[in-house]
Amino acid sequence: DQQVKQNSPSLSVQEGRISILNCDYTNSMFDYFLWYKKYPAEGPTFLISISSIKDKNEDGRFTVFLNKSAKHLSLHIVPSQPGDSAVYFCAAAINAGGTSYGKLTFGQGTILTVHP
Amino acid sequence: DARVTQTPRHKVTEMGQEVTMRCQPILGHNTVFWYRQTMMQGLELLAYFRNRAPLDDSGMPKDRFSAEMPDATLATLKIQPSEPRDSAVYFCASGLRLPRQETQYFGPGTRLLVL
Repeated sequence: DQQVKQNSPSLSVQEGRISILNCDYTNSMFDYFLWYKKYPAEGPTFLISISSIKDKNEDGRFTVFLNKSAKHLSLHIVPSQPGDSAVYFCAAAINAGGTSYGKLTFGQGTILTVHP
Repeated sequence: DARVTQTPRHKVTEMGQEVTMRCQPILGHNTVFWYRQTMMQGLELLAYFRNRAPLDDSGMPKDRFSAEMPDATLATLKIQPSEPRDSAVYFCASGLRLPRQETQYFGPGTRLLVL
């Protein structure tokens, strides 16, 4: 049972435009969400996160939106740059205010290609 | 620039051989995770340590996989005997457990090919 789903295996965007990556989850106990970026032959690197007490978190060109009622989160990249081309993983955790053990459940990933 | 290191980066071995992968977490981090990435399953959690104690290894095939943390600077993942279906990229990640924060930092991975 895939508790975190990224239904788009790939996304292609023109440089300068907005990239929107989507993620859905089924477990209502998840209360902390993260996005990781992965380049070939490297490990995933942390990008941005959001706690369920918020519905938006912004860091430079990256914004994550959380819609708890729809169990949906999205990552917006504005403007997109060729260097953003990578695999993006959505992940979710049951943080429980810091009392859980920290297991992350990952989606399958979305390959983003930003064309110059 | 603190980072998680993993050795070896690549490993080719024959079925039945023992494989040992090593990880050095970021100094001061109290949590260590082992993940496996395959095309079919994405990133799967294999095992988890906090303060060197194993807390969850439910994702590991118990008969052939073992994970240990002999000290705070070294985590190991062993496969014995290895099988072709174990071919994957194995990632180690470390983190500092904080309320409302679950950030984990990944190493570069060990790419394993079992022939």
